[in-house]
Amino acid sequence: KAGVTQTPRYLIKTRGQQVTLSCSPISGHRSVSWYQQTPGQGLQFLFEYFSETQRNKGNFPGRFSGRQFSNSRSEMNVSTLELGDSALYLCASSSLATNEKLFFGSGTQLSVL
Amino acid sequence: GENVEQHPSTLSVQEGDSAVIKCTYSDSASNYFPWYKQELGKRPQLIIDIRSNVGEKKDQRIAVTLNKTAKHFSLHITETQPEDSAVYFCAASWIQGAQKLVFGQGTRLTINP
Repeated sequence: KAGVTQTPRYLIKTRGQQVTLSCSPISGHRSVSWYQQTPGQGLQFLFEYFSETQRNKGNFPGRFSGRQFSNSRSEMNVSTLELGDSALYLCASSSLATNEKLFFGSGTQLSVL
Repeated sequence: GENVEQHPSTLSVQEGDSAVIKCTYSDSASNYFPWYKQELGKRPQLIIDIRSNVGEKKDQRIAVTLNKTAKHFSLHITETQPEDSAVYFCAASWIQGAQKLVFGQGTRLTINP
């Protein structure tokens, strides 16, 4: 089975712009979660989608949003980018069949200039 | 909310020796504790996990112990090898919301040949 796929791998944006990141989960996985990884804050939960519905949400401002499509693929959007949004954004998928264990993608490295 | 503390932040051991990483959590409702290994520039990979109805779990050279009363859990790596060098993250969640993991700050493990 192919693993979790994230695109693009690297992204450079400027302050004030918006960005959309994409995630394709492992085939058969219906849950997709997003995490932000930074050297200072570590790994922090953004939100989780299941069957096209947001099921859990972390403590991030409303500029961070996401959605999930009927094929379980997910997108994450960040509007009005700030310098502090520079981070590795990781997507993870899970399923009941694997006891809800999280499998991560390689991430999208976002740099905001 | 849940808070996970991880120690030490860096650990250096001789090849063949054992390594121990410890985590404490604050929310007594947490009942799922995975450990992830992240090599430089790569995705976090699940190496072992434990649920709160189990006190210890072993997988070859890796073991995890859980003390629910004290709210701490530990990762033990025996007969360390150079390929064990990586950053290790502990995390906590409750099984029904296993996608919403709260991570520790990570331990950079270096195996010296």
